[in-house]
Amino acid sequence: NAGVMQNPRHLVRRRGQEARLRCSPMKGHSHVYWYRQLPEEGLKFMVYLQKENIIDESGMPKERFSAEFPKEGPSILRIQQVVRGDSAAYFCASSGVESQPQHFGDGTRLSIL
Amino acid sequence: GIQVEQSPPDLILQEGANSTLRCNFSDSVNNLQWFHQNPWGQLINLFYIPSGTKQNGRLSATTVATERYSLLYISSSQTTDSGVYFCAVEDGGTSYGKLTFGQGTILTVHP
Repeated sequence: NAGVMQNPRHLVRRRGQEARLRCSPMKGHSHVYWYRQLPEEGLKFMVYLQKENIIDESGMPKERFSAEFPKEGPSILRIQQVVRGDSAAYFCASSGVESQPQHFGDGTRLSIL
Repeated sequence: GIQVEQSPPDLILQEGANSTLRCNFSDSVNNLQWFHQNPWGQLINLFYIPSGTKQNGRLSATTVATERYSLLYISSSQTTDSGVYFCAVEDGGTSYGKLTFGQGTILTVHP
């Protein structure tokens, strides 16, 4: 399967813990995007990364959230000290170049107890 | 930033009916995609269509970039077409890579 792979599919954390979401882009893709879908809402852009670079983080909350896409390995979205409002579906997408179709993974459903 | 409006917000059909979903956007775009989010939450790519017309089986889409709208046509609808349909655009200005999504059209197809 050469699609975008996200893991875990479901993640449960208690308030104050850390959440790490992983995304492996499609083979040959070097552009990765993260989106968040809050309950009963549409999808909102969070961050756009290329290998070792953050291109656009205009949608990232100012605190507790960070993202990376290292030279080797998957992209990671990290949420520190999670709160109930972080409960959402987090989707990763990848593309070969800018302005080409973005292909989405199945998402990670994050639940905060 | 660019605004994306989808209509109608909700649509209820009987199996076999046809429908048209609309997406209006407020500025020029580099990229426009239509997605279907199924009841399991998966986002399925339907079309990459910044301009022109494409068809895939019972679905087709048309984007008129100069008039800033796109249409998604579903013919002979089936219960498996139920879900939420999203239009998403990439601003043709400086927001390269960033997709802005509409609020979606919730489609329910009854047998």
